[in-house]
Amino acid sequence: EDQVTQSPEALRLQEGESSSLNCSYTVSGLRGLFWYRQDPGKGPEFLFTLYSAGEEKEKERLKATLTKKESFLHITAPKPEDSATYLCAVQARASGGYQKVTFGTGTKLQVIP
Amino acid sequence: SAVISQKPSRDICQRGTSLTIQCQVDSQVTMMFWYRQQPGQSLTLIATANQGSEATYESGFVIDKFPISRPNLTFSTLTVSNMSPEDSSIYLCSVGAVDQPQHFGDGTRLSIL
Repeated sequence: EDQVTQSPEALRLQEGESSSLNCSYTVSGLRGLFWYRQDPGKGPEFLFTLYSAGEEKEKERLKATLTKKESFLHITAPKPEDSATYLCAVQARASGGYQKVTFGTGTKLQVIP
Repeated sequence: SAVISQKPSRDICQRGTSLTIQCQVDSQVTMMFWYRQQPGQSLTLIATANQGSEATYESGFVIDKFPISRPNLTFSTLTVSNMSPEDSSIYLCSVGAVDQPQHFGDGTRLSIL
């Protein structure tokens, strides 16, 4: 069964203090790893898809990286508006059709001015 | 990406009643999904709703409790039947395709008294 573990559960940073969120996964053949951002009262907002080990994606202050066992979401010089819960999810390869996506429980990030 | 609207955004219901949640998409999509998100837990897939076929339910979820309709390629409903306090949760609709990430609505926050 596919599993996703995110750490830490919560992270409090000062504005400008860079850090990384971790997503460890177990999947029988990775089709894709997804990062989402979720604000209170909102649905998850798609950020990145990573497909293979060594791949990196960047968007503003966020950079996502992927190895064979884990993914990191690096946040450089965060701002208060980066405060949110960040969700990681994996999708396994399927011989046909659509394979369901498995989500982690998220890291709640708070950036203090 | 598709714009997904859910109604109602929140509701407070009495034990034993049923509530139907609507999900409207601004473009035609093949695959729609219904998730449950409980506090501190990951998103849990309830079922996949494809137009023209019966919904596919995940382990632990049954059609009698969570009937789903998918009358066309832009609309779906999820009914939470015979509600109990344990059904208090956020219910999310999402859309996806085989090689695309899922995109989510803002969810329905349901409380059962």
